[in-house]
Amino acid sequence: GNSVTQMEGPVTLSEEAFLTINCTYTATGYPSLFWYVQYPGEGLQLLLKATKADDKGSNKGFEATYRKETTSFHLEKGSVQVSDSAVYFCALRPKNTGGFKTIFGAGTRLFVKA
Amino acid sequence: DTGVSQNPRHKITKRGQNVTFRCDPISEHNRLYWYRQTLGQGPEFLTYFQNEAQLEKSRLLSDRFSAERPKGSFSTLEIQRTEQGDSAMYLCASSLSRGSNEKLFFGSGTQLSVL
Repeated sequence: GNSVTQMEGPVTLSEEAFLTINCTYTATGYPSLFWYVQYPGEGLQLLLKATKADDKGSNKGFEATYRKETTSFHLEKGSVQVSDSAVYFCALRPKNTGGFKTIFGAGTRLFVKA
Repeated sequence: DTGVSQNPRHKITKRGQNVTFRCDPISEHNRLYWYRQTLGQGPEFLTYFQNEAQLEKSRLLSDRFSAERPKGSFSTLEIQRTEQGDSAMYLCASSLSRGSNEKLFFGSGTQLSVL
């Protein structure tokens, strides 16, 4: 079946540190991959996406590259800010099988200290 | 356009009572999804609609759960005979069907507590 595994949190970093949140997936075929972010008290919102192998999604200084060979979509940011403190969800959406639903990982909470 | 709206934000009920939640999607969106999220977990798919048709239901959705989207606009999720295990955040999301580029827009959720 389709599933997403991401690193457990919480991740605690100091401001301007480098961030990596690991995400791997299991899927039939080649799904679309997403990172969603949930800021405190708000709904989930799309951060970035990639729809095919070797695509790089980027937004707000965050990047993730669709790696077919390692079935991974790790989230990175070169210099985090306090305002990046949130919960980050890796997700996949099958393209041809498995229906239309987006499947989410368990989420990784990030704390950034000033 | 104010995004996806969910009501109520919080609901506290006693075990055995029925509860109903409402979701108003973004107006031009044809797809509407319900998810459930418990503490420390990601959203789990419950069901989705394309316009007014309910196209898929998760096996998580027992027969105590029913969802409707009668006119292809707002949706309701009803839970009958609530159990303590139903306590969770119930999320609604909407989208325009755009194949692999589909982007979900989420509401802020309804937090259900069953005492």
